[in-house]
Amino acid sequence: EPEVTQTPSHQVTQMGQEVILRCVPISNHLYFYWYRQILGQKVEFLVSFYNNEISEKSEIFDDQFSVERPDGSNFTLKIRSTKLEDSAMYFCASSFRGQGLSGNTIYFGEGSWLTVV
Amino acid sequence: AQKITQTQPGMFVQEKEAVTLDCTYDTSDPSYGLFWYKQPSSGEMIFLIYQGSYDQQNATEGRYSLNFQKARKSANLVISASQLGDSAMYFCAMRRDSGGGADGLTFGKGTHLIIQP
Repeated sequence: EPEVTQTPSHQVTQMGQEVILRCVPISNHLYFYWYRQILGQKVEFLVSFYNNEISEKSEIFDDQFSVERPDGSNFTLKIRSTKLEDSAMYFCASSFRGQGLSGNTIYFGEGSWLTVV
Repeated sequence: AQKITQTQPGMFVQEKEAVTLDCTYDTSDPSYGLFWYKQPSSGEMIFLIYQGSYDQQNATEGRYSLNFQKARKSANLVISASQLGDSAMYFCAMRRDSGGGADGLTFGKGTHLIIQP
């Protein structure tokens, strides 16, 4: 079964450092997303991406964050200068264009734990 | 704006019993989708079931069914014949069905379900 894959599974970084989280969405999906989950809290939407540009973003997704699809398969989230409060699980997700179950379902990767020290 | 409310922070259920996890939502969008995800202790987000706001029948997927009551704005998840492996966090989520597929999911705070032998 196709799946969303994420790397790294866990990363520890020093405050102020840049971090890049990588994702390979499901191959025939056209919409890509990043979510985050601070430990013990609910999952929060960060950004959606379609046709090589940001489609929607939340207020969490400020200038410290950026996304990119550098080639035909990878989708990355960059945090330019990490803060302690960026420590969280970051989920990549993807969906197929359209309505109905096959179009609307958003499939998540296994997540990347980011710990900022 | 959309809002998801899950009023049960935790539940203990005997194995083989049926479980109902509550979810109510609020939205002004005329068309939307409702989702349930399972998050085991390992952290990944597993899609369980989807219900479109215009679907006439309640969604079912194996042991999972979604009790959709549109007038009450509720979308409860029912798990029949619970198993020990069902122990996990369960998140209800929704997004507007804009047709473009780019909107992010709004999640509830989750219900921690523990199945007891």
